[in-house]
Order: sequence, then structure tokens, then C-alpha cells
Amino acid sequence: KAGVTQTPRYLIKTRGQQVTLSCSPISGHRSVSWYQQTPGQGLQFLFEYFSETQRNKGNFPGRFSGRQFSNSRSEMNVSTLELGDSALYLCASSLVGAGGYTFGSGTRLTVV
Amino acid sequence: AQTVTQSQPEMSVQEAETVTLSCTYDTSESNYYLFWYKQPPSRQMILVIRQEAYKQQNATENRFSVNFQKAAKSFSLKISDSQLGDTAMYFCADGSSNTGKLIFGQGTTLQVKP
Repeated sequence: KAGVTQTPRYLIKTRGQQVTLSCSPISGHRSVSWYQQTPGQGLQFLFEYFSETQRNKGNFPGRFSGRQFSNSRSEMNVSTLELGDSALYLCASSLVGAGGYTFGSGTRLTVV
Repeated sequence: AQTVTQSQPEMSVQEAETVTLSCTYDTSESNYYLFWYKQPPSRQMILVIRQEAYKQQNATENRFSVNFQKAAKSFSLKISDSQLGDTAMYFCADGSSNTGKLIFGQGTTLQVKP
């Protein structure tokens, strides 16, 4: 079966712009979570959605937002991009929360 | 707050030998899971092994096994018969069953040498 699909794979944006990243979970998975990975901070939890509801949110500013659609696909949005937002953004899906997450290949965002 | 600590930033092992990666965690949750993920240079996070905290028996997946010491909050990964393809960064993670949130350690870079 198809894995977790993240698009796009690479993205270059300018400071002040906004960006939307997409994540399609494994079919049947209703939980989708997002993580930011940087060399300095490691892997940090952004938020998790389950059946279109945000269940949990990490310690990130309000510029980071997300949503989940009825087909469980999820998007995350970052507004007013800063240089520090340059990172690998990973999406993971699961049948139920924390039972075992399958990760996508990530979106590499570079802010210039 | 939940924390996960991996005290070994880098490790190396000869091909076919055994290596153990350390991890300690701190959680107030009563029902939680522990994971080891592998991230090769391709950056795909791959689940290596999972342990349910309520199970006393240590999880095993082929050449990978864990030593889960619940009282000590320790969760180490043993890789037997190391292969070149095991070269990657390894992350230990702690996840509550109700929050859908994983807390990751800082990672251990493992190099398997021929």
C-alpha cells in the first residue's frame, strides 16, 4: 500500500512569504502529525490532527497552523516566513495516536 | 515535561559486530509507547522497533532488540550482526497513547565500518 506522501519535496521561499505543505496519510489512517527537524533543535512536534480536529499543539508561534480534511489529508501553513523556519518538515500518520507512526519523506523548506 | 535523552551523539561499529545505543526518558504518562526510528541520509524516518510500556517483555525485530527497564526509564537498542545499511541516525522517541505526540531524543549517528 502507498506510504505517507508529502509534497513538495523541496521549496525555496523568501522571508515574509507564506507557504503551504501537504501530507497525504496512509489510507485508513486518521491521525496525522507534523514535526520540524533542524540541526540545532532536532525534531520538534508541531501539531497533531485526528478526524479533522487538532488534538495537540507544540510550542510554536501562531504563524504555524494546520488543518485536516475529511479524507484525512493534512496541510500545514507557515505565514510571514523567517530565516529560522528553514527546516525539514516531516509528516507522520497512524491508525490511532502513538501506536506507531509512519513518516513521509519530508519537505525541505529553505527561506532566503 | 516529557524528555528523551540520547547521551551518545556518535558511535561506530565494525560490520558483523554488535552495538548498543542508549536512551533514557522521563514521562508522567501511565500509558505510553517507546520507539526507535532510523533516519538514513535519504532522510526517510523508518520505524525500527516499538515497545508498549505495559509489556514487560522486551521487543525484538530480527537483528534489533531493546532492553526496556521501566523503573530506570531506560530504553536501549541493540543491533546485532551490524550491516553497512544500518549506517544512519537513530532516534529514540516517547509517545503517549492519547496525545498523538512523539518526543524525540537528539539522535545518535551510527556508522558501520566495513
